[in-house]
Amino acid sequence: TQLLEQSPQFLSIQEGENLTVYCNSSSVFSSLQWYRQEPGEGPVLLVTVVTGGEVKKLKRLTFQFGDARKDSSLHITAAQPGDTGLYLCAGVSIQKLVFGTGTRLLVSP
Amino acid sequence: DTGVSQDPRHKITKRGQNVTFRCDPISEHNRLYWYRQTLGQGPEFLTYFQNEAQLEKSRLLSDRFSAERPKGSFSTLEIQRTEQGDSAMYLCASTTYNEKLFFGSGTQLSVL
Repeated sequence: TQLLEQSPQFLSIQEGENLTVYCNSSSVFSSLQWYRQEPGEGPVLLVTVVTGGEVKKLKRLTFQFGDARKDSSLHITAAQPGDTGLYLCAGVSIQKLVFGTGTRLLVSP
Repeated sequence: DTGVSQDPRHKITKRGQNVTFRCDPISEHNRLYWYRQTLGQGPEFLTYFQNEAQLEKSRLLSDRFSAERPKGSFSTLEIQRTEQGDSAMYLCASTTYNEKLFFGSGTQLSVL
């Protein structure tokens, strides 16, 4: 069974702080995706990383794929209340996504 | 709106009743997925279709669960003899071949 563990499970910070969310697995994935989900809605894709060691930036969000393609991180700089939500990593495995356990982020003004 | 549509958004039922959910994917998407999500957790894969063919079912999908996609367009997920443990958000997603999934807003099921 492929498992993706995310840490921390919950993060509550003040506006302007930086944070990092980790996604770890014992399995290798062909690619890894990050989603953000708001209450009562489905997840929305933020980014896909494909190559080991790859770094992608999306405004204040920086995503990194581990060299061995088993882990990934999401770093948010100067968090804003609009960043609040459930962040999910997902490994692409044989035509389906395996989702991580999720990190709930709360950014207070 | 050309996104993934799910109906109903909310369903409250009594234990033992049958329920059916519908998903209308983005029209040109040939793959359709069903996931189940409990509060604060990541979605768990249930099953997926390529056109009308159901290609994979999770071990989580007991024989009380059945999914169809009869004409390769919309899909239905039926749960028979619902149990309290079935309470969850049921998410549908569609895609072409590039694994970029587009999710619907989900159906929130509460079994009393």
